[in-house]
Amino acid sequence: DAKTTQPPSMDCAEGRAANLPCNHSTISGNEYVYWYRQIHSQGPQYIIHGLKNNETNEMASLIITEDRKSSTLILPHATLRDTAVYYCIPLSYNFNKFYFGSGTKLNVKP
Amino acid sequence: GAGVSQSPSNKVTEKGKDVELRCDPISGHTALYWYRQSLGQGLEFLIYFQGNSAPDKSGLPSDRFSAERTGGSVSTLTIQRTQQEDSAVYLCASSWRQGSYEQYFGPGTRLTVT
Repeated sequence: DAKTTQPPSMDCAEGRAANLPCNHSTISGNEYVYWYRQIHSQGPQYIIHGLKNNETNEMASLIITEDRKSSTLILPHATLRDTAVYYCIPLSYNFNKFYFGSGTKLNVKP
Repeated sequence: GAGVSQSPSNKVTEKGKDVELRCDPISGHTALYWYRQSLGQGLEFLIYFQGNSAPDKSGLPSDRFSAERTGGSVSTLTIQRTQQEDSAVYLCASSWRQGSYEQYFGPGTRLTVT
């Protein structure tokens, strides 16, 4: 599985967009980029995933660079409830297990 | 509908005792996964089930750890002769099938070995 680099922490003002970067320069052609988050004392929660096209759902948008070596998760209007650790995870389609790294701790402030 | 449930939510046990942790997956989910998360660490994969069989047990840290799943539903993770390093949050997740991108996680069982 590809290695990832994420900043350990980020701050964001409530109501503003939160842009969380992830570097996955060793990603292989058949690996998707998945994003999960973990709110304190809860289990991880799926957010979004993509292969090479940008993706959007009700929670977030995912921007993947053309060379696929990095991606950015965008929370368009962050709320206090979005305070969590965000994990970027490259995985092949037939994965059967996750390896979560240390992720990015997003602090949304009023 | 009901999500993944785990019991107990907290367990404190003495070193050397055996513990059983239970996971009830979402109804109809054929794949079930066990992970553990130590304080401030990422998730560590333990084992996964497809139906009642466990094709991948590679993450179990020692032979003190075992898991079973019956009826394609409930799973039990057993830790024998617990050690202090076993203290962690044990998370269970389920999905419609192996490789499904969306794993639904339970709230976890916090195990403390004293």
